[in-house]
Amino acid sequence: AQSVSQHNHHVILSEAASLELGCNYSYGGTVNLFWYVQYPGQHLQLLLKYFSGDPLVKGIKGFEAEFIKSKFSFNLRKPSVQWSDTAEYFCAVKPYGSGNTGKLIFGQGTTLQVKP
Amino acid sequence: DAGITQSPRHKVTETGTPVTLRCHQTENHRYMYWYRQDPGHGLRLIHYSYGVKDTDKGEVSDGYSVSRSKTEDFLLTLESATSSQTSVYFCAISLQSDYEQYFGPGTRLTVT
Repeated sequence: AQSVSQHNHHVILSEAASLELGCNYSYGGTVNLFWYVQYPGQHLQLLLKYFSGDPLVKGIKGFEAEFIKSKFSFNLRKPSVQWSDTAEYFCAVKPYGSGNTGKLIFGQGTTLQVKP
Repeated sequence: DAGITQSPRHKVTETGTPVTLRCHQTENHRYMYWYRQDPGHGLRLIHYSYGVKDTDKGEVSDGYSVSRSKTEDFLLTLESATSSQTSVYFCAISLQSDYEQYFGPGTRLTVT
């Protein structure tokens, strides 16, 4: 079955530290890739997306992600985190060929806690 | 933010009672989705709709039904609520099936 795995369930960083959150998926075909962020008590917001082209994608708030097809990975990065980045981060994958449903497969989420 | 509202935002109900959650969009997006969010599970798809009166099941559809009589409204019904359905429910919309989804504010449902 298709799945998305986020390796880090809970990450604690100090402000100004660099961030990298891992995301791997199990699907051999073409995919669209997404990272969503959920701030405490809020709904999910789109951070960035990859459909095709340059595998290095830049999103909002200084986040970026790199798609490495050979590794089935789409890791999220930020050079210097801020206290306001404290949130839960979800990787999601939309495999092509799964019909016209737009079904997204979500990872379990990674909770990021940034200490001031 | 996308024009998505959910009602109610919070609800406490008793086991065995029917519950209907509403998702309303003003974006005229074709696709609408219902997810539930539980700790350690991320988001799981309950049902989705790809047009008026066109719906299908997701991965955790047992105990839930949906209806979409208008483009802008997508209703999720728990026919007989159980404690295992205590969760946060999110509605999402997308313009096309391969595009990103935009999420509503969520409904926190507690079944006692």
